[in-house]
Amino acid sequence: SQQGEEDPQALSIQEGENATMNCSYKTSINNLQWYRQNSGRGLVHLILIRSNEREKHSGRLRVTLDTSKKSSSLLITASRAADTASYFCATRSSGGSNYKLTFGKGTLLTVNP
Amino acid sequence: DTAVSQTPKYLVTQMGNDKSIKCEQNLGHDTMYWYKQDSKKFLKIMFSYNNKELIINETVPNRFSPKSPDKAHLNLHINSLELGDSAVYFCASSPTGQGGQPQHFGDGTRLSIL
Repeated sequence: SQQGEEDPQALSIQEGENATMNCSYKTSINNLQWYRQNSGRGLVHLILIRSNEREKHSGRLRVTLDTSKKSSSLLITASRAADTASYFCATRSSGGSNYKLTFGKGTLLTVNP
Repeated sequence: DTAVSQTPKYLVTQMGNDKSIKCEQNLGHDTMYWYKQDSKKFLKIMFSYNNKELIINETVPNRFSPKSPDKAHLNLHINSLELGDSAVYFCASSPTGQGGQPQHFGDGTRLSIL
């Protein structure tokens, strides 16, 4: 069953603006990860946040996690045209298969120059 | 140096044919995966191998048969291809797979069934 649901499905912004994408999930998690997929390419891991963490930063990326609301957000600051891609959240459930990540449907981000 | 490489990149074939997709990783990882991404970009796990042992086998038709000759390679053979098999298939790997470690993806194989 699908675990993560990203919101919005699509987001279009101007270069220099911030982009915020949200992810909701249903079951208890061990960690949550964000990935980027450029058109015609594979997914690239961006950042991992564990269930006992509330916020994490990596360069222009900021991820928050609210386990009480079962939700996470990815903020990209000062966006660039090169940030245009689909962004996926993926969760590792605290129960079930130790190896399995479950991906959401993604948010398509378009950054206009 | 490509970390996770898949061949072929594109595969166009007739319904009913049998085809294989190959995947190799040079990262020294123990765990490899096959995913299917449909036209709506939904990514679904199909199989996972850890050190050549099958550890995840989702509800995939038995026309799909993975094979891992060694921990650096994970191939996918598909028998009697159907129209619904058209998708992008991604191979991925992770160091051990346990605890939901970050995964490294190949660039996908775009399978089109005519």
